[in-house]
Amino acid sequence: GENVEQHPSTLSVQEGDSAVIKCTYSDSASNYFPWYKQELGKGPQLIIDIRSNVGEKKDQRIAVTLNKTAKHFSLHITETQPEDSAVYFCAFLGTQAGTALIFGKGTTLSVSS
Amino acid sequence: KAGVTQTPRYLIKTRGQQVTLSCSPISGHRSVSWYQQTPGQGLQFLFEYFSETQRNKGNFPGRFSGRQFSNSRSEMNVSTLELGDSALYLCASSLGGKMNTEAFFGQGTRLTVV
Repeated sequence: GENVEQHPSTLSVQEGDSAVIKCTYSDSASNYFPWYKQELGKGPQLIIDIRSNVGEKKDQRIAVTLNKTAKHFSLHITETQPEDSAVYFCAFLGTQAGTALIFGKGTTLSVSS
Repeated sequence: KAGVTQTPRYLIKTRGQQVTLSCSPISGHRSVSWYQQTPGQGLQFLFEYFSETQRNKGNFPGRFSGRQFSNSRSEMNVSTLELGDSALYLCASSLGGKMNTEAFFGQGTRLTVV
């Protein structure tokens, strides 16, 4: 079935450091890859996404890269701040289930000041 | 612009009962998807409704059902509740077109089955 592996499951960094989260997906036909941030007690918040015709996308301190050949995509957060602490999920748009998003298991990011 | 609204925020039910959860999507969005979030299984797709029709369904038993109204609001129903149904139920709304895939989530309904 369709699935995505996400690493690491936990990540601790010092304020100002960079954080990288990596995902490997199973469905080579997928063309949409969003990233979500979930804070305690809240629903997932879309923070950035990338489509398969683009290799990299940046939005201020957040960037996402996509390697379709290797079926990898990554989230890069630079100059981390304590408010970046949350659970981050990668996802891809499954093609078997139409419009369903297939999620990774999540990465708990802790930024200490 | 108001976000996705889910009600209620919290529910406690007894095994064997049924429950109905509600989701109001962002104005103008025609697609509503439902997901179950648990610590063990993570986020799993339940089903999606678009223009009052179920467009996709995940791998959940028939006890899980839903519907969508003409104003795009959606409800999800779980019958004969089991302890394992305890989870955070999230709905996500999107415009629903093939390329309009940005999905925005509500805060979820925390269901506890005792």
